[in-house]
Amino acid sequence: LAKTTQPISMDSYEGQEVNITCSHNNIATNDYITWYQQFPSQGPRFIIQGYKTKVTNEVASLFIPADRKSSTLSLPRVSLSDTAVYYCLVGPSGGYNKLIFGAGTRLAVHP
Amino acid sequence: EAGVTQFPSHSVIEKGQTVTLRCDPISGHDNLYWYRRVMGKEIKFLLHFVKESKQDESGMPNNRFLAERTGGTYSTLKVQPAELEDSGVYFCASSQAGQVRDTEAFFGQGTRLTVV
Repeated sequence: LAKTTQPISMDSYEGQEVNITCSHNNIATNDYITWYQQFPSQGPRFIIQGYKTKVTNEVASLFIPADRKSSTLSLPRVSLSDTAVYYCLVGPSGGYNKLIFGAGTRLAVHP
Repeated sequence: EAGVTQFPSHSVIEKGQTVTLRCDPISGHDNLYWYRRVMGKEIKFLLHFVKESKQDESGMPNNRFLAERTGGTYSTLKVQPAELEDSGVYFCASSQAGQVRDTEAFFGQGTRLTVV
């Protein structure tokens, strides 16, 4: 399964746009790129998933270049409540959600 | 609609005792997963059920762990006997089967297990 690399931590201020980039050089043809968010004392929560180009939903945008070796999660106008750990994952393996979690990126949003 | 629920939310047991964790997936979700995070480590996959059958149990650490999903609804994860290194947060997740790939996984809030 593809390994991902992302920043350990990031800091931002309320109202700013935050971009978190993830590297996945060994992504397989059938792999999708998925981002999860986790708050303390809660389970991970699905944010967005994409295969190529750009995907946007009510929460975030996901940018994937043509070679798919990296992806960028974009959070528009973050608020304090966006402080969380963000995980970039590739898969699901074989169509299932056997997810390989890395350390994630700890985002701290400041007033 | 209710999400994935796990019980108990916390459990403190002594080394050598038995603990059973329960997970109720979202209704209609055939796929059920167990994950865990031990102290300071990353979230790791334990196993995957499709309905009542074990699809993949490659992440189960040893034979002290037994997972069941009788009837294809809720699942239990039993640790017997518990050891200190079993302490951590155990997450359950469920997803709906798709034709090509399954929907995203929905996670429960986890059970924090402390073995003393």
